[in-house]
Amino acid sequence: GAGVSQSPSNKVTEKGKDVELRCDPISGHTALYWYRQSLGQGLEFLIYFQGNSAPDKSGLPSDRFSAERTGGSVSTLTIQRTQQEDSAVYLCASGMDYNQPQHFGDGTRLSIL
Amino acid sequence: GQQVMQIPQYQHVQEGEDFTTYCNSSTTLSNIQWYKQRPGGHPVFLIQLVKSGEVKKQKRLTFQFGEAKKNSSLHITATQTTDVGTYFCLPNNAGNMLTFGGGTRLMVKP
Repeated sequence: GAGVSQSPSNKVTEKGKDVELRCDPISGHTALYWYRQSLGQGLEFLIYFQGNSAPDKSGLPSDRFSAERTGGSVSTLTIQRTQQEDSAVYLCASGMDYNQPQHFGDGTRLSIL
Repeated sequence: GQQVMQIPQYQHVQEGEDFTTYCNSSTTLSNIQWYKQRPGGHPVFLIQLVKSGEVKKQKRLTFQFGEAKKNSSLHITATQTTDVGTYFCLPNNAGNMLTFGGGTRLMVKP
């Protein structure tokens, strides 16, 4: 069956530009998570969606970061006015419910020049 | 808030030696999950522990959940080069922001 799909797989952009990263979760999964992982580092939680509930945005590092999830399925993470420190791999995961095993996509490698 | 410590941060072993990583939480957990991330890959779910004192095995991997449901360990017997990667724990407790442990990076010398 299809797993979590993320696009693009790689994104190179200039400092100051806006970027949109997309995540297609596994069908039927109500929980969706975004994480950021810098090279050789751990998983930094960004935001969590559960069904139609208000998302948990407590991990977003600044107001330049936002995310939405339309129709309880596809999610988009937007970074405005990108900075060099935003360079990282952005990972999306989905799960059957909160506290259930998470299935990760391959990530989007974002490079800010 | 929930505090998570995972140790050690790095571990070099000779192929055939055993390996253990520990995850310690400051609060009682509802469950704990373990993930493995190969170099260049994404995290892959290994197992979930729910019961106090639970022990689960997957071939050479043994997972334990402490009696107080605050600590957990992952033990690999007779490591192989295919075990290389970073092992993360994810302690879960309803209502708390999801915080993965910092990970233990395992390197295996053939």
